[in-house]
Amino acid sequence: AQSVTQPDIHITVSEGASLELRCNYSYGATPYLFWYVQSPGQGLQLLLKYFSGDTLVQGIKGFEAEFKRSQSSFNLRKPSVHWSDAAEYFCAVGSSSGGSYIPTFGRGTSLIVHP
Amino acid sequence: EAGVVQSPRYKIIEKKQPVAFWCNPISGHNTLYWYLQNLGQGPELLIRYENEEAVDDSQLPKDRFSAERLKGVDSTLKIQPAELGDSAVYLCASSLAPWETQYFGPGTRLLVL
Repeated sequence: AQSVTQPDIHITVSEGASLELRCNYSYGATPYLFWYVQSPGQGLQLLLKYFSGDTLVQGIKGFEAEFKRSQSSFNLRKPSVHWSDAAEYFCAVGSSSGGSYIPTFGRGTSLIVHP
Repeated sequence: EAGVVQSPRYKIIEKKQPVAFWCNPISGHNTLYWYLQNLGQGPELLIRYENEEAVDDSQLPKDRFSAERLKGVDSTLKIQPAELGDSAVYLCASSLAPWETQYFGPGTRLLVL
């Protein structure tokens, strides 16, 4: 069964500092990989996704993520964090087999931004 | 373009009572998902619909949960009877196809007393 691990429950950064949120997945083949952001009272919003091709993926709001097959990782990065980036971030993996498609989400990482 | 609409946004009921959640997906989206999100956790898939057909429903507790998607558009998720442990946020999402970007509604926060 596929699984997603986000090892950091909370991350605190200063505004303007760089950010990296970790995500490791467990799946036999190359999965579909996603990063979502959830702000308080809001629905989850897709930041970026990886299906195939270039392993460095650019997303919205200045975010990027890199797929590393050898490390089974899909870490999210941003060079300079803004106060509005404070939110919950979820990594997700999707796999398709025999008509079945079950997305699996990590438990999330809460990002706190200090002024 | 309107997003995914869910109602109600909040619901408080007593245990053993029934409750229903409604979801209106983005127009043209064939795939509809219901998720359960517990506090401090990521969403967990309950059921996925392709048009009006329920697929990937292995994680739906069928003894008390039921869902339907009539005419392949709106969907309803029901719990009967509700238990204390059902207190959570119920999320609905839709997409053009299973592997495509999912668009989430704001969720229904359920509190069972």
